[in-house]
Amino acid sequence: GAGVSQSPRYKVAKRGQDVALRCDPISGHVSLFWYQQALGQGPEFLTYFQNEAQLDKSGLPSDRFFAERPEGSVSTLKIQRTQQEDSAVYLCASSLAGTENSPLHFGNGTRLTVT
Amino acid sequence: DAKTTQPPSMDCAEGRAANLPCNHSTISGNEYVYWYRQIHSQGPQYIIHGLKNNETNEMASLIITEDRKSSTLILPHATLRDTAVYYCIVRAPNQGGKLIFGQGTELSVKP
Repeated sequence: GAGVSQSPRYKVAKRGQDVALRCDPISGHVSLFWYQQALGQGPEFLTYFQNEAQLDKSGLPSDRFFAERPEGSVSTLKIQRTQQEDSAVYLCASSLAGTENSPLHFGNGTRLTVT
Repeated sequence: DAKTTQPPSMDCAEGRAANLPCNHSTISGNEYVYWYRQIHSQGPQYIIHGLKNNETNEMASLIITEDRKSSTLILPHATLRDTAVYYCIVRAPNQGGKLIFGQGTELSVKP
């Protein structure tokens, strides 16, 4: 079946531009997660949704980062006024249920390069 | 959060079993042990998870010690395509189920 889909696969932005990254979770999955992965590092948690509610945004690095999931399905991660330190792979994951016994399934990410 | 300790790298011969260790000495009774792997340029791939009992699926086996302070992921017949970074994660309840990744073990399967 279809997995988690992310678009675009690659994004190049000039410093100061705004970007929007899209995540299509697995159909019917209640929970959705965003992660940031710098080169050579493990993924780091950014934020989490259960349906349309954003229940945890403790990992968002600054107020330039904003995520939404208005209808409880597709999610968008927006980064305003991009900086070079925002260059990373942004991963989205979904989970059938928001419990610790329900595995997360990841997409292949969007690689963002800020020049 | 419970943390995990893994060796930074391991080698394995193709066709042999790969045994990847993980220490999680501060794990709580209701925390699951999860294993993921990440192949270059892809997102993390779910492998297996368990709470107390040993688990097996089509990809791997998970052996959890009786005191739950450590576990081992076993790939029974490693292939070159199993070369990846393997992450052992202790997943806490009541945190939205988020996973906290460490540095993982870089497994190289050699011909």
